[in-house]
Amino acid sequence: GAVVSQHPSWVICKSGTSVKIECRSLDFQATTMFWYRQFPKQSLMLMATSNEGSKATYEQGVEKDKFLINHASLTLSTLTVTSAHPEDSSFYICSAPRVDEQYFGPGTRLTVT
Amino acid sequence: GQQLNQSPQSMFIQEGEDVSMNCTSSSIFNTWLWYKQDPGEGPVLLIALYKAGELTSNGRLTAQFGITRKDSFLNISASIPSDVGIYFCAGSTSGTYKYIFGTGTRLKVLA
Repeated sequence: GAVVSQHPSWVICKSGTSVKIECRSLDFQATTMFWYRQFPKQSLMLMATSNEGSKATYEQGVEKDKFLINHASLTLSTLTVTSAHPEDSSFYICSAPRVDEQYFGPGTRLTVT
Repeated sequence: GQQLNQSPQSMFIQEGEDVSMNCTSSSIFNTWLWYKQDPGEGPVLLIALYKAGELTSNGRLTAQFGITRKDSFLNISASIPSDVGIYFCAGSTSGTYKYIFGTGTRLKVLA
């Protein structure tokens, strides 16, 4: 199967700071990538669609000014959580489609203190 | 956000038993995917389904795309301890790569 990586795998930051999470497709190109958030013992909730060369599209209820997405190249999308607060602590997972299938990264656990 | 209803929510079974779980939606989907997620890791794709009525196997796993296109089923035969984890279904409508996820089925296998 295809391989998607994320960096970092975990991060702890202080309230009010910003954190950048990277998502890379390692052996294929992805013009579209997706960002999900998963709270403990819950399912994955789609946050936004990252589009190479254009603006990201956000799901209802997701603040685009707080969760900045940049699709810098055909293999890299970044999610920046700005002015992080404890309630932003979560497991953030990206995915990239290849043909008709979605491949997920290993996730990034964000803890805001 | 929208989610699919998945049942059962959790299961405790004995090693060697078969397992069945299903996913239902109020919307019609054109693709169904089944994933397994281990704690602290991203979901891993198990089976992909593309046509109504399709039955696909991957080792001890078998999944079916419901003929109404509003549901899907996953069966695991002869369960083993490493089957422990959370299983998610995900559905997508035609022309998009956006997937909606089920609520998950937490499986525990007792040796």
